[in-house]
Amino acid sequence: QVQLVQSGAEVKKPGASVKVSCKASGYTFTSYDINWVRQATGQGLEWMGWMNPNSGNTGYAQKFQGRVTMTRNTSISTAYMELSSLRSEDTAVYYCASSGGVHWGQGTLVTVSS
Amino acid sequence: DIQMTQSPSSVSASVGDRVTITCRASQGISSWLAWYQQKPGKAPKLLIYAASSLQSGVPSRFSGSGSGTDFTLTISSLQPEDFATYYCQQANSFPHTFGQGTKVEIK
Repeated sequence: QVQLVQSGAEVKKPGASVKVSCKASGYTFTSYDINWVRQATGQGLEWMGWMNPNSGNTGYAQKFQGRVTMTRNTSISTAYMELSSLRSEDTAVYYCASSGGVHWGQGTLVTVSS
Repeated sequence: DIQMTQSPSSVSASVGDRVTITCRASQGISSWLAWYQQKPGKAPKLLIYAASSLQSGVPSRFSGSGSGTDFTLTISSLQPEDFATYYCQQANSFPHTFGQGTKVEIK
């Protein structure tokens, strides 16, 4: 069965970077785009961007341009989302999801605190 | 960016009630709309795609309609497991924006 398994929770200081991984299994990794979505506690869903695992092409929401980088390692079927210059407002659960929204990772809590 | 506006923000309903949630796009998105259900501490679950297509495994009491700018999610007979927050998302153009969510609560 299709699974997206994300890396564990992270605690970072303001100004630092975080890199969240999303390992895919049960399907051909390069067949479907990966989207990243975040959710602050008690808040709604926020789309951050997408990556085509085959080509490596990416597209980011304007809000995150210059701070977010989405990459992949096809040999291990894993996508990555790196967010830099972290601030307290970036504290949230970060999700990866396959294109079409059928399959989601379990979420990774990133806490930014001094 | 396309803005997605859901209404109401919350609704109180009883088991067996018919519940309707609306989602309005700030510009036309054809049928590029999905609906998700999210329960506390869980990832969203896809219910409806392409505005009106029921995702495999989703109960038939869920239905979606609309095209262009106005969309509706209907739960025909609310069940205890349906109490959750519902989101619409447009996939017509980047960024794929979400609505702000509608919380369905027990009356």
